[in-house]
Amino acid sequence: GAVVSQHPSWVICKSGTSVKIECRSLDFQATTMFWYRQFPKQSLMLMATSNEGSKATYEQGVEKDKFLINHASLTLSTLTVTSAHPEDSSFYICSAPPELRTNYGYTFGSGTRLTVV
Amino acid sequence: GENVEQHPSTLSVQEGDSAVIKCTYSDSASNYFPWYKQELGKRPQLIIDIRSNVGEKKDQRIAVTLNKTAKHFSLHITETQPEDSAVYFCAASYQGFQKLVFGTGTRLLVSP
Repeated sequence: GAVVSQHPSWVICKSGTSVKIECRSLDFQATTMFWYRQFPKQSLMLMATSNEGSKATYEQGVEKDKFLINHASLTLSTLTVTSAHPEDSSFYICSAPPELRTNYGYTFGSGTRLTVV
Repeated sequence: GENVEQHPSTLSVQEGDSAVIKCTYSDSASNYFPWYKQELGKRPQLIIDIRSNVGEKKDQRIAVTLNKTAKHFSLHITETQPEDSAVYFCAASYQGFQKLVFGTGTRLLVSP
């Protein structure tokens, strides 16, 4: 099956700094990657959709300039949290949609626990 | 916009009982409905899914039913066990296999 590798698994950063999270598709080409954020005891909320070779699509209420998404190749999508603040502390997780002509479902990265101090 | 409602938010059952979690979705064009089990700090784990051309699917103690007319789908767990205790999320795929929108989650507690 498809595998998405997400790094880092956890990160602690100081307020005002930037953090980059990477998701790599290991055995398939992901032209699309979804980025979710999950606060404690809440659901996964879709933040944005990255598309290889084009601009990301952001959900309503998500700041484009704060959450920079890049999908420069068919196997790598990155999310950069710029000027991080404590309220950005959350669990961030990426997901790739099923490949065509397969019965596989969505593939999720292992998630990144971001703590901003 | 797209919306998935999930009920109940918490569900407590005795071991051996059945558990049912229900979800409704807003977009009639949705065509894929997965259910996930998530442990704290981990990625969602797919437990069963159903596509819009099927009304029911079963896998051992787990089953999912879909009512396209009413735009709702349900997860049924029979003979529950303590290890079934977890948070469960339903989801619906919009715009084909594009956006996957999650329900609000159900915390299931199975008591011995």
